[in-house]
Amino acid sequence: DAKTTQPTSMDCAEGRAANLPCNHSTISGNEYVYWYRQIHSQGPQYIIHGLKNNETNEMASLIITEDRKSSTLILPHATLRDTAVYYCIVRVAGDMRFGAGTRLTVKP
Amino acid sequence: EPEVTQTPSHQVTQMGQEVILRCVPISNHLYFYWYRQILGQKVEFLVSFYNNEISEKSEIFDDQFSVERPDGSNFTLKIRSTKLEDSAMYFCASPRDRGWVNTEAFFGQGTRLTVV
Repeated sequence: DAKTTQPTSMDCAEGRAANLPCNHSTISGNEYVYWYRQIHSQGPQYIIHGLKNNETNEMASLIITEDRKSSTLILPHATLRDTAVYYCIVRVAGDMRFGAGTRLTVKP
Repeated sequence: EPEVTQTPSHQVTQMGQEVILRCVPISNHLYFYWYRQILGQKVEFLVSFYNNEISEKSEIFDDQFSVERPDGSNFTLKIRSTKLEDSAMYFCASPRDRGWVNTEAFFGQGTRLTVV
């Protein structure tokens, strides 16, 4: 699976959009981009995933660049409960490996 | 949303003792995963289990670890002789669909293992 690079930490004001970037320059054509988050010590929670097209669900939007070498997770209206570590993972199938992720802190 | 259940939520054990961590994954699914997270560190893959066999395992998953599906619904992780460094949160995961491509995984809430 391709390697991903994320910023270590980010802050966001409550009610504003949180934009979390991820670089995956070695991604191959059949690898999907997944985003998970972990709130405190809870089990990781699935957010969204995509292959080429931008995706949106009730939690977030995923923007994947045309060359697929990077992506951005957008939380449109961040709340204090969105404070968590966010993981960007690239994989085809099989096992999912987590990196260090981005620690997002939403501030009042 | 599908649910993955882990028991116990917290277990304290003495060094050298055997522990069994239990997981009830999404029913009728063939893929199951175990991960661990040492306090303050990242989530680490341990092992995947497909159709009653180990599919992949990491370098962490040495001879002291084993996985079983003893009764068709429960999925267990056994640590034969615990060490202090086995203290961690252990998470079980199950993909939404029976396959494991283009599908999300659901994680249990974890078992906190403390080895004293």
